[in-house]
Amino acid sequence: DSGVTQTPKHLITATGQRVTLRCSPRSGDLSVYWYQQSLDQGLQFLIQYYNGEERAKGNILERFSAQQFPDLHSELNLSSLELGDSALYFCASSSTLPGPRANVLTFGAGSRLTVL
Amino acid sequence: DQQVKQNSPSLSVQEGRISILNCDYTNSMFDYFLWYKKYPAEGPTFLISISSIKDKNEDGRFTVFLNKSAKHLSLHIVPSQPGDSAVYFCAASDTGANSKLTFGKGITLSVRP
Repeated sequence: DSGVTQTPKHLITATGQRVTLRCSPRSGDLSVYWYQQSLDQGLQFLIQYYNGEERAKGNILERFSAQQFPDLHSELNLSSLELGDSALYFCASSSTLPGPRANVLTFGAGSRLTVL
Repeated sequence: DQQVKQNSPSLSVQEGRISILNCDYTNSMFDYFLWYKKYPAEGPTFLISISSIKDKNEDGRFTVFLNKSAKHLSLHIVPSQPGDSAVYFCAASDTGANSKLTFGKGITLSVRP
C-alpha cells in the first residue's frame, strides 16, 4: 500500500457521460498530481495542485477539470466523455519538503476508465 | 514533443545476468531523474533516482548512471531476477520550475528463469 488511495478502481460508462475520480494523498503530502496512461503511452501529466492551489497544468483537455479540497483530497472530473478518454488515470502525491524524497512522487493504484 | 524517450519497448534477459535499460532526454533544464517500476494492476513505484550533480547512484542491485553531456541515463540491474519482470519508466523533472515529472513510454523487462 503506497498510502495514496484512488477510487473507483474501475469505471465503465458511456460516451457523453461525466465521471469523477477521487484521490486521497499520503498523510502529510500537500501536492497532488494527476496523470493519464492510454494504451501504448507513457504517463501523461495532466495537472498538479499544491495545498488547494493549482500549481502546474499539462495536456489536460478543457472537458477535464480538477480541484483539491481543504482536507487535501483531490477530484478529477471528466465530462462529455469520448471513446478516446478510456485510460488509466493515476494520482500521485509528494511532500515537497526538503529531504531525500522531496522530488519523488508516490502513486496510487489508478482508476481504469472504460468509455463505451 | 517527447522530452523523455525510452526507445526500446522491451528487453529480455536471463536470470542472473545484467539488465541495462536506457533513457534519453532533450530538455536541458531537467536536473533530477528517476526510475519507476510498474507491475500490472498497480501504480508505478519509485525505484531509484539521481540528481544532475552526480553521475552515478547505487542502491543494492540497482545502479543509475547519468551522462549529462549526452543527455542519457541508464538503469543497471545486477543480477537480474524473475521478480524484476515489470515495466520500467524513466522520469525527469526541472526542480527549479515545479515538481512534476515527465515520463518516458516505458520498457517492458522480462527476466527468464
